[in-house]
Amino acid sequence: GNSVTQMEGPVTLSEEAFLTINCTYTATGYPSLFWYVQYPGEGLQLLLKATKADDKGSNKGFEATYRKETTSFHLEKGSVQVSDSAVYFCALSEKRGADGLTFGKGTHLIIQP
Amino acid sequence: SAVISQKPSRDICQRGTSLTIQCQVDSQVTMMFWYRQQPGQSLTLIATANQGSEATYESGFVIDKFPISRPNLTFSTLTVSNMSPEDSSIYLCSGGVRHTDTQYFGPGTRLTVL
Repeated sequence: GNSVTQMEGPVTLSEEAFLTINCTYTATGYPSLFWYVQYPGEGLQLLLKATKADDKGSNKGFEATYRKETTSFHLEKGSVQVSDSAVYFCALSEKRGADGLTFGKGTHLIIQP
Repeated sequence: SAVISQKPSRDICQRGTSLTIQCQVDSQVTMMFWYRQQPGQSLTLIATANQGSEATYESGFVIDKFPISRPNLTFSTLTVSNMSPEDSSIYLCSGGVRHTDTQYFGPGTRLTVL
């Protein structure tokens, strides 16, 4: 079956540091890949997505590139802010959003001023 | 993005009772799903809500425990039956928007079972 593995936290960084959250996946086909974010006290929000190999998703300074050869979709940001503190989930869909998502366990990111 | 609402937002229930959660989506949504997020854990898919027919359940989830209805395109309910403290979780509804590959999530229902 499908699975998503992401680094578990908490990950603690100082403001303006470079961020990488690793995500790798196992799927039988060619899934769509997503990063969702859950800010404290809020619901789950789509951060970015990529639907085919070598696509780069980007939003709010975050980027992730769909790497089929390494089955990875690592999340990066060049300079984090305190407001980026949240839980980040990597997820995949086998059927372009027409099936339920498979989520990783989530990475709790803490940014210190 | 799609607008998805849920109610109640939270509830505290007694063991052995049942709670029905409602989810309303806007007309862009075609697929609807229900997930559970146990404390400190990730999201697990419970089932796909099918319009006018029985839901499609994932392994480990059964209709007797989590009956789901979807009487029309934009509305679905999830019932958590005969609750125990282990059912304490956040239950989320999501909708897949046509032609976008993307699911949007409701705000969730935080359930505590005593």
